[in-house]
Amino acid sequence: TQLLEQSPQFLSIQEGENLTVYCNSSSVFSSLQWYRQEPGEGPVLLVTVVTGGEVKKLKRLTFQFGDARKDSSLHITAAQPGDTGLYLCAGKGAAGNKLTFGGGTRVLVKP
Amino acid sequence: EAQVTQNPRYLITVTGKKLTVTCSQNMNHEYMSWYRQDPGLGLRQIYYSMNVEVTDKGDVPEGYKVSRKEKRNFPLILESPSPNQTSLYFCASSGLEVNTEAFFGQGTRLTVV
Repeated sequence: TQLLEQSPQFLSIQEGENLTVYCNSSSVFSSLQWYRQEPGEGPVLLVTVVTGGEVKKLKRLTFQFGDARKDSSLHITAAQPGDTGLYLCAGKGAAGNKLTFGGGTRVLVKP
Repeated sequence: EAQVTQNPRYLITVTGKKLTVTCSQNMNHEYMSWYRQDPGLGLRQIYYSMNVEVTDKGDVPEGYKVSRKEKRNFPLILESPSPNQTSLYFCASSGLEVNTEAFFGQGTRLTVV
C-alpha cells in the first residue's frame, strides 16, 4: 500500500508570512496532485505535477515534485487570509486512477 | 455547470438501519469513487468504479456496498451502519485519461448513533 505523509498537520501564521507544506512517501508516484478543501466543501484541484524535479507556480503558490517522484512541497509566499484551508496532497500510481491522499495540512492565516 | 451531487448532505441514523447515499455526476466520467474523511487520516478510498457494472474495493471497503447501473450514478450503501462508520463521505468522478482532475461532491456528514 502506498502511503503519503504530510507535515505539518497544522500551521498558523500571520498574513504576509511564508509557509511550506511537505508531502513525503517511500513509494514512487506517476504524478502528484495538490487539492485545497474549505469547510463544507469537497477538495478542489490546485495543480498536478508529473515530471521529477518539476516546479509549477500558481500566483503565490509554488509546487515542486521531487526528483525521485516520491515527495512534493507546496510553498505559499506572502500568505493571505484567503489561503486558509485544508491542503491535501494525493499521489497517483502507475496503474489506474486511484488517488492516495496524505493526511492533510490545515493552514490558518490570521489577518 | 460540471458538478458531482451528493445527497443527503447531513444524516443522523441509528445502528443497523440501512441507508443509501446517492451520487450523481454530469460530466460523462467513467471513473467514480467513494472516500471517507476522518481527522488526520485524509481521504481513504472505500470503493471505485471504472465504468458501468464494473466496481472494485478500495482501501476500506468493509461495511459498504456500491452499484453502478448507470454511468452518472454511483450510490453508496450501508446495509447495517455502525458507529465506526460515522464520518464525512465524498463522492468523486474523473475521466480515465492520465493525470486527469478528480471532481468531488460537497460531502455527506453521517452520524451513526
